[in-house]
Amino acid sequence: GIQVEQSPPDLILQEGANSTLRCNFSDSVNNLQWFHQNPWGQLINLFYIPSGTKQNGRLSATTVATERYSLLYISSSQTTDSGVYFCAVGAGTYKYIFGTGTRLKVLA
Amino acid sequence: GAVVSQHPSRVICKSGTSVKIECRSLDFQATTMFWYRQFPKQSLMLMATSNEGSKATYEQGVEKDKFLINHASLTLSTLTVTSAHPEDSSFYICSARVRTGGLTEAFFGQGTRLTVV
Repeated sequence: GIQVEQSPPDLILQEGANSTLRCNFSDSVNNLQWFHQNPWGQLINLFYIPSGTKQNGRLSATTVATERYSLLYISSSQTTDSGVYFCAVGAGTYKYIFGTGTRLKVLA
Repeated sequence: GAVVSQHPSRVICKSGTSVKIECRSLDFQATTMFWYRQFPKQSLMLMATSNEGSKATYEQGVEKDKFLINHASLTLSTLTVTSAHPEDSSFYICSARVRTGGLTEAFFGQGTRLTVV
């Protein structure tokens, strides 16, 4: 099955800093999403991005499907950005395989 | 975006009892829903795919007799943890996909934190 690795596993930032989170996957995919899991466990949809680049406010994402990776950029980080970021990929079916996650803590 | 509602958000039960978790799609119909489990500080692992009107498909290693899934309507899937034991304590999350303009985006419920004592 597809393996999905995220890096870094943990990240501590000072408020206002920028960061890049990476998602590598081992095989071709036709679905990819980024999620933010808040402290209560809720998964918040950030981007549906099987390919290309998207931006939403301080967040942007890029997926290079041919090279099997996706990047999530967070600019001017805020304490509310803290939590765990997951990428999830799917190939040929509607079920997702989740990455290992990046645990982000933004300090005030 | 689409709304997936899960209930209850938190449940504590005694060992040996059964617990039912509901997952509803509020503003769309879902012929397929997915159930995930997440242990503390770990990623989400797919347990099963719930299909409306037919049997669920379980991932390898998931006991179908322990985790009963029923998808009786286009807006409701239920997961019943039967004869729960402390090792079943976990965070359970359901998901449904919404097709919009060629995209099939997944939306997740709020999750259910199950504690078996």
